[in-house]
Amino acid sequence: DGGITQSPKYLFRKEGQNVTLSCEQNLNHDAMYWYRQDPGQGLRLIYYSQIVNDFQKGDIAEGYSVSREKKESFPLTVTSAQKNPTAFYLCASSDRGLYLETQYFGPGTRLLVL
Amino acid sequence: EDKVVQSPLSLVVHEGDTVTLNCSYEVTNFRSLLWYKQEKKAPTFLFMLTSSGIEKKSGRLSSILDKKELSSILNITATQTGDSAIYLCAVDDFANTGNQFYFGTGTSLTVIP
Repeated sequence: DGGITQSPKYLFRKEGQNVTLSCEQNLNHDAMYWYRQDPGQGLRLIYYSQIVNDFQKGDIAEGYSVSREKKESFPLTVTSAQKNPTAFYLCASSDRGLYLETQYFGPGTRLLVL
Repeated sequence: EDKVVQSPLSLVVHEGDTVTLNCSYEVTNFRSLLWYKQEKKAPTFLFMLTSSGIEKKSGRLSSILDKKELSSILNITATQTGDSAIYLCAVDDFANTGNQFYFGTGTSLTVIP
């Protein structure tokens, strides 16, 4: 069964704590993305990666970090520098192909601050 | 400034009605426009549009792109309660560092029985 998995489904963070959200895909896609979704707002790009060991900042990268050591995995760390982390986080992947890309999304992780 | 703008922000209709959702965009290197349906969790892919004037259709849903007007519409005919969702529009903008997808805020559709 091919797809994108994210874990955990819900995550609670204490003040000053770093937390890591997992994203794994078995679609053999080159590109992976992290988005943040807040109520009443569209998806905002945090980081993206086109190939292993390379990634680029999106529009709201401050307070977040990522790694891309394996093609299948693109974990996102929400650091203590992110002052307003409560949101729904979506991971996506896409197959670059020759020209066009379609993004496929994981089920999301909802992060809440205690 | 928002690169992708969707309207209306929300819509409430009765079953059987037809709805039209709008998406306008302004990006540097347009490659494609995508429509997604988001019910409770992950957005699910509906359509990808690249060429102007060619309608994509899937059952009661259809979509068309107007590159001259930098916009797209998503039509849903004979709406059902199962169509209730947020409909997201995204545009693929090619950059030197790889392509980025810009999303609109979405249109929240509620279909009343």
